[in-house]
Amino acid sequence: EAQVTQNPRYLITVTGKKLTVTCSQNMNHEYMSWYRQDPGLGLRQIYYSMNVEVTDKGDVPEGYKVSRKEKRNFPLILESPSPNQTSLYFCASSQGLGFTEAFFGQGTRLTVV
Amino acid sequence: GENVEQHPSTLSVQEGDSAVIKCTYSDSASNYFPWYKQELGKRPQLIIDIRSNVGEKKDQRIAVTLNKTAKHFSLHITETQPEDSAVYFCAATQPNTDKLIFGTGTRLQVFP
Repeated sequence: EAQVTQNPRYLITVTGKKLTVTCSQNMNHEYMSWYRQDPGLGLRQIYYSMNVEVTDKGDVPEGYKVSRKEKRNFPLILESPSPNQTSLYFCASSQGLGFTEAFFGQGTRLTVV
Repeated sequence: GENVEQHPSTLSVQEGDSAVIKCTYSDSASNYFPWYKQELGKRPQLIIDIRSNVGEKKDQRIAVTLNKTAKHFSLHITETQPEDSAVYFCAATQPNTDKLIFGTGTRLQVFP
């Protein structure tokens, strides 16, 4: 089954404790991205990757890192989480040729206390 | 860069009525406009999309219209049903990047 899988689904952590949210897709998609969803603000892009070893900042990249060592995986790293990073996070992938559907992961609800 | 505005933020309709959600975009070079539906606690999923060379597209009870001159596009849902209740997001793609710029979402509630 074609899918985007992200883990964990729920995470509560403390300020400053490094964490990683994993994302994996099995559709051989070129383009992957991370979004955060906050009430009234919609989906805002954090980082994206157009291919292996190619990553770039989205609209709200501060406090986040990503890597793309393999085509299928695109982890999101929070080196020193802060309470303002409490949010719902989605990973997404698409074929990368334009006009193509974005497939979203199940979401990760992160709470930083 | 591209900016997408979406209205209204909430919409309540009676079952069987029509619902219309409107979006405007700023970059005249944008050429792909998808709509995503997000049910409560679920991931966003594509329901319909339109390309800049088309003015209207229909799929059963949903349709999308695009006015390139005015930089408007709209989602139309006819004969609404309770299962249409969800948050709907419009988006526009920046050319040659695959980057989606999303609107802020519309929460649609369909009352039986």
